[in-house]
Amino acid sequence: AQSVTQLGSHVSVSEGALVLLRCNYSSSVPPYLFWYVQYPNQGLQLLLKYTTGATLVKGINGFEAEFKKSETSFHLTKPSAHMSDAAEYFCAVSARRGSQGNLIFGKGTKLSVKP
Amino acid sequence: NAGVMQNPRHLVRRRGQEARLRCSPMKGHSHVYWYRQLPEEGLKFMVYLQKENIIDESGMPKERFSAEFPKEGPSILRIQQVVRGDSAAYFCASSPPGQGSDTQYFGPGTRLTVL
Repeated sequence: AQSVTQLGSHVSVSEGALVLLRCNYSSSVPPYLFWYVQYPNQGLQLLLKYTTGATLVKGINGFEAEFKKSETSFHLTKPSAHMSDAAEYFCAVSARRGSQGNLIFGKGTKLSVKP
Repeated sequence: NAGVMQNPRHLVRRRGQEARLRCSPMKGHSHVYWYRQLPEEGLKFMVYLQKENIIDESGMPKERFSAEFPKEGPSILRIQQVVRGDSAAYFCASSPPGQGSDTQYFGPGTRLTVL
């Protein structure tokens, strides 16, 4: 069965600093992996996804993530944080690869950005 | 092209009442997923529907909860005899036919409060 663990429920960085949000997954099949962002009282917006091919994935708003099979990780990074990045971030893995199916989410990491 | 629409955005019910949550998928999308987000938790899958069919309801509580996606009209998540523990944000996602789970688009959610 698939599962996702996000290390750190709260992360605080200074504006301009590196953002690193950690995600480890467990999957019995090669995974599809996703990062979503949720702003207060809003729905989820897809930041980026990994399905196949290049393991370094670039997304919107300057975020990127690297799929590391040996470490079963898919950490999210951004070189320089902006105040507007303050939100909650969810890592997710597909329940079944390559077919319609639900997503399994981590518990989320709230990112705070200090001026 | 309008995104996934959910209504109402906020719903208040007293214990024992019924709650009906609506989801209109994106145009051309025939797959709908419902997820529930409890406070301080990630999203948990509830049910996956296609038009007139329930494909996977493994995440649905056994009692009081039901879902449908009729040939015409929105998908409905129905909660009978609500209890305080049903208070949560309920998110709907949709995806087009013929593609994998990497194409789920989320609505803004319905926040249910049970008094």
